[in-house]
Amino acid sequence: DAGVIQSPRHEVTEMGQEVTLRCKPISGHDYLFWYRQTMMRGLELLIYFNNNVPIDDSGMPEDRFSAKMPNASFSTLKIQPSEPRDSAVYFCASTTLGLSTDTQYFGPGTRLTVL
Amino acid sequence: LAKTTQPISMDSYEGQEVNITCSHNNIATNDYITWYQQFPSQGPRFIIQGYKTKVTNEVASLFIPADRKSSTLSLPRVSLSDTAVYYCLVVPSGGYNKLIFGAGTRLAVHP
Repeated sequence: DAGVIQSPRHEVTEMGQEVTLRCKPISGHDYLFWYRQTMMRGLELLIYFNNNVPIDDSGMPEDRFSAKMPNASFSTLKIQPSEPRDSAVYFCASTTLGLSTDTQYFGPGTRLTVL
Repeated sequence: LAKTTQPISMDSYEGQEVNITCSHNNIATNDYITWYQQFPSQGPRFIIQGYKTKVTNEVASLFIPADRKSSTLSLPRVSLSDTAVYYCLVVPSGGYNKLIFGAGTRLAVHP
């Protein structure tokens, strides 16, 4: 298996622009998570899905952030409009209860820079 | 969720055994102890999980005393490639529960 796939790996954009991050979870995994990592705040859970349904979005910072999972093999995290404080590494992870819920498989991350 | 406390950083040399201790004084009966490893520019990676006593896999060993208020991750004979941040997490069993990552322990292995 190729593992969790994220694209793009790096994104540089200007303040006010829309940014879309993409994630393909491991096949067969029914949980998908979006995290954000910064030096100041560490690794934070933004939102997670179970069977394509958003379960907990309490970590989403504000209305500028939105996430969708139209099918079991694809999810997007969108920021509109983007701001410099959104600069961070965004990770997607997946797992299934058939393994262990503690065992999440993380993707390589997308490093976002908002100028 | 039980709060965890671990050292911010540690230094070691190649070939040495490294032990990272994590405190979780208010761990609940159904909580498991889980460790993740994060290399620079990569996402965290699950390395080991345990409930009590000792667990060993190809990467590390996890020692958990009877009172379960602490745990120790042991890395045998570290190499430069073990330089990473190590996170200790306490997670309830059953169903899905959020993983709360603290600051972790930044391990630097020197030649």
